Amino acid sequence: QKEVEQNSGPLSVPEGAIASLNCTYSDRGSQSFFWYRQYSGKSPELIMFIYSNGDKEDGRFTAQLNKASQYVSLLIRDSQPSDSATYLCAVNLWAQKLVFGQGTRLTINP
Amino acid sequence: NAGVTQTPKFQVLKTGQSMTLQCAQDMNHNSMYWYRQDPGMGLRLIYYSASEGTTDKGEVPNGYNVSRLNKREFSLRLESAAPSQTSVYFCASSERSGEETQYFGPGTRLLVL
Repeated sequence: QKEVEQNSGPLSVPEGAIASLNCTYSDRGSQSFFWYRQYSGKSPELIMFIYSNGDKEDGRFTAQLNKASQYVSLLIRDSQPSDSATYLCAVNLWAQKLVFGQGTRLTINP
Repeated sequence: NAGVTQTPKFQVLKTGQSMTLQCAQDMNHNSMYWYRQDPGMGLRLIYYSASEGTTDKGEVPNGYNVSRLNKREFSLRLESAAPSQTSVYFCASSERSGEETQYFGPGTRLLVL
């Protein structure tokens, strides 16, 4: 089992709909969780981080964390074509280091 | 502020050649990282430096060496390049290790023939 797993996609969502991206992790001791967005040919950029169980909202983005089930998700409401990108989940598994999932490629169809 | 800068942006090497990838940050961050990204593999940590004067191995350190030259600069060296090292290399920095947001440079695309 990989330490951080994501469905590689592609995930196709119509414009205006909710896109749901999921990530599972193996280490119950993980404390911090991050979602990065990466456009094709560009570097990753942070969208959100979450430390506590529950939901965290920032504009159209909501991160959800369930430590008991060891998953973290990202919801994108009112999806726009500009949201088309690869989304990387990252988990602080070891002290001082993040481990990234393989990323989910999201396409928003106009 | 330029953030995190990397040079070169693109490089072609022949098997056995050596090269150094340069990274610098102007955010006064303590921690710096080198990742490689291959299709379908996500980002994999090669080496990191939690603070000036320290370096540690990550997930895939074989074939690489690093130098934390000062607080701003962290270089990655390939002593004898192999085709398996063809990848996109990203440098990142964070205020401190692990818990904080990492900021990424634009990447270096390396092709080893």
